[in-house]
Amino acid sequence: NAGVTQTPKFQVLKTGQSMTLQCAQDMNHEYMSWYRQDPGMGLRLIHYSVGAGITDQGEVPNGYNVSRSTTEDFPLRLLSAAPSQTSVYFCASSYRDGPNEKLFFGSGTQLSVL
Amino acid sequence: KQEVTQIPAALSVPEGENLVLNCSFTDSAIYNLQWFRQDPGKGLTSLLLIQSSQREQTSGRLNASLDKSSGRSTLYIAASQPGDSATYLCAVPKVVSDYKLSFGAGTTVTVRA
Repeated sequence: NAGVTQTPKFQVLKTGQSMTLQCAQDMNHEYMSWYRQDPGMGLRLIHYSVGAGITDQGEVPNGYNVSRSTTEDFPLRLLSAAPSQTSVYFCASSYRDGPNEKLFFGSGTQLSVL
Repeated sequence: KQEVTQIPAALSVPEGENLVLNCSFTDSAIYNLQWFRQDPGKGLTSLLLIQSSQREQTSGRLNASLDKSSGRSTLYIAASQPGDSATYLCAVPKVVSDYKLSFGAGTTVTVRA
């Protein structure tokens, strides 16, 4: 059982380039989300999805786009990369049990924007 | 706005010592609090989830306590081992009516053999 798979693991971009971070889950979870992790800070939510065709903004959405055409996939697109987007990006899928959300994280993508 | 703080940012202990990790949050109106473990170069793995109605939750050598009124949670790891070396993060819902989480920056633990 693969869980949550993120690709690539590492990426270097030049300012202004665009790219897509891939995320796939095989647990049939309704909910998926993208976070970024910066040194000395907790994870911050970029975008999330509550099901195929439904997405919404998180805490730091600017400069990023998402779409959810299938339950399994939730790609994150950087439209025009900026040095401020240098970070480690995590995708998560989750399910809800009453008021509790159980999250499963991918292993991350380390992105450097020069 | 919910803010989550974890102090210290890092600690180093000899093998066998008990670990005490602290987490504080500003808004006590929460449904639950979660503790996660993050190994270098890896994603987060859920360790424990404490419901707001609980005061403690245990899993093996791990015990997490929750004091909602004071906005604090503590993760205890008994008889630490080098394999416990990792970063430990806590997270609470941003607002009581929402599932979105606010994460602390984590405490990086090193257990020396």
